[in-house]
Amino acid sequence: TQLLEQSPQFLSIQEGENLTVYCNSSSVFSSLQWYRQEPGEGPVLLVTVVTGGEVKKLKRLTFQFGDARKDSSLHITAAQPGDTGLYLCAEPPYSGGGADGLTFGKGTHLIIQP
Amino acid sequence: KAGVTQTPRYLIKTRGQQVTLSCSPISGHRSVSWYQQTPGQGLQFLFEYFSETQRNKGNFPGRFSGRQFSNSRSEMNVSTLELGDSALYLCASRRDSDFFSGANVLTFGAGSRLTVL
Repeated sequence: TQLLEQSPQFLSIQEGENLTVYCNSSSVFSSLQWYRQEPGEGPVLLVTVVTGGEVKKLKRLTFQFGDARKDSSLHITAAQPGDTGLYLCAEPPYSGGGADGLTFGKGTHLIIQP
Repeated sequence: KAGVTQTPRYLIKTRGQQVTLSCSPISGHRSVSWYQQTPGQGLQFLFEYFSETQRNKGNFPGRFSGRQFSNSRSEMNVSTLELGDSALYLCASRRDSDFFSGANVLTFGAGSRLTVL
């Protein structure tokens, strides 16, 4: 099972600032998912990246998959208090058809102060 | 369309007791997965059920078990509780088409927070 390392572990910034969080592995990802989990809730899937070098945008969030598919980043522009939460990256299992569950990183705890 | 519903949301048990948690998936979803979330280990896969059969199991001791009913509702049970079992237990469901294709597009419930004293 591959280990996913996320950094930073904690990040607290002011509203309006930009930030980037990272997800890295020593092995190649088959694909990668990003989730956001708000306090008292379950994780919500934000995006899935599949192709090396892929960039996906979701409003103020930009997700990038490394060319070698061993790393991914999430960039938030002009952060807002509503962006506060735990950001998790996760890798699906290699085999399909109902195989092992997702492998998650431990997440980045993000706090956006008004 | 109702989401994934987990009950109870909070519960407190003592060491040695057992606990049963319930999960109702999105209507029409027959795949139900369970995950344990702790500050130290993060989210870890427990098991997945599809059409009343356990399809996959994570690396957890036999004290952790589950089952799924014909209406796709699932329960997980933890016996002989230990302090380390204190966690948020999350349930997720996915569409049948995603299960068969291997697409892990999961919808999570809000979780059941278990505290073991």
